[in-house]
Order: sequence, then structure tokens, then C-alpha cells
Amino acid sequence: DTGVSQDPRHKITKRGQNVTFRCDPISEHNRLYWYRQTLGQGPEFLTYFQNEAQLEKSRLLSDRFSAERPKGSFSTLEIQRTEQGDSAMYLCASSLGTRDEKLFFGSGTQLSVL
Amino acid sequence: AQKITQTQPGMFVQEKEAVTLDCTYDTSDQSYGLFWYKQPSSGEMIFLIYQGSYDEQNATEGRYSLNFQKARKSANLVISASQLGDSAMYFCAMIMNRDDKIIFGKGTRLHILP
Repeated sequence: DTGVSQDPRHKITKRGQNVTFRCDPISEHNRLYWYRQTLGQGPEFLTYFQNEAQLEKSRLLSDRFSAERPKGSFSTLEIQRTEQGDSAMYLCASSLGTRDEKLFFGSGTQLSVL
Repeated sequence: AQKITQTQPGMFVQEKEAVTLDCTYDTSDQSYGLFWYKQPSSGEMIFLIYQGSYDEQNATEGRYSLNFQKARKSANLVISASQLGDSAMYFCAMIMNRDDKIIFGKGTRLHILP
């Protein structure tokens, strides 16, 4: 068990480009969460999965954001037509899904949109 | 809508003193859980403590305790005998047991002074 891993650690892109991030949760974890965090702020909920099913997507999230977890294991988060306001740390977390089960976080992907 | 409020953006505390970080929450659900996470400058999210809404006793984990006052909808974190290594951002989070969605507050930056 190597924990939650995210790839890449850093991504620099030009405005208007598409980017995709990957998250590999802890293998037996069926819940997977995506959060966005800007400097000095708390993690902002984006979306989450129970196995391959996406349970909810934040209403604050534009249609440019999409996430998948095709086989209930790894997940991808894609941002289309990136904007400078998308610059943030994107955090992935996983859990067993039981009531008091804590989230295990990855190290995040830092996105910079120029 | 569910909400977590942390009203202290920053705190300065002398080493070895106890410190209380405030957290209030808003939910109409009866079944939920509350977490506290620590995020040092390195960026990783570290689980500290969990309290279920039906737990009758306040949770404790080493130097951390959670002062849970359900009627006031508050879940303050108490750190006893603070140490320099406690300097970090601290986030309060809530899980709604009906759907396991987890949301975070904006955080409190704690500075421990030598």
C-alpha cells in the first residue's frame, strides 16, 4: 500500500489548453474525492465517486470540468479550455467509505495556467 | 445547505500553551461526522481526529481533543501543550452520512511562538 498517488505533481499550461490529471487511490478504497485548493483556503469540493459511479459534481463547477473513474480504480480529472482562474492545487483523496473512515490524501497536482 | 465556518483566519500561541481552534457547522442532517485535518507548509493533509454526531463522549487523540457541542453545532479542536511543530493550517471538515459527501472549512493558520 503506497498511499494515494497523483500525477503529475506540477502542470504548467497556456490558457485555452486542455489538461488531464490522474489519481490512483489506495487499492481497496471505493470512495474517491476530488478537491481544489487555492493558497490559504480550504479544499473546495469538486466531485466524488463510489466505485465507478460519480455521485455528485459541485454546482459551482463549470462544464469545462469532467471526471471519470472508469473501472472503479484510478480516476482522471480533465479541464478543458483552461482559464487563469483554474490555477490551483487539485487534491485527490480516497476512503473505504465507512462512516468514520478518514480521507487519505494525495500530494496534489499544482496547476498553473499562464 | 451544509456549511463549515472557521472564524479565526490566524492565531498566535506561545509554545506549551493550550490552544482552541473554533469550528461551527450547519446541517439539517441528524447523522454526520466531523474531522480535523492539519496541513503543514509541506502541503500534505494529515488526519487528526474524528467525532460522530451520535458519539456521546468527546473524541481524543493524544494531545488533540474535540470539544463537541451538538446543540451549538460546534466542534472545536483543542491542542494541549502546543509544540513548534503544530504550526500549520488546520481544517475542520464534515461528512454527511446520508451521502458521504465531505466538505471543508476555510481553515485557521496556527503559529506557535518559541
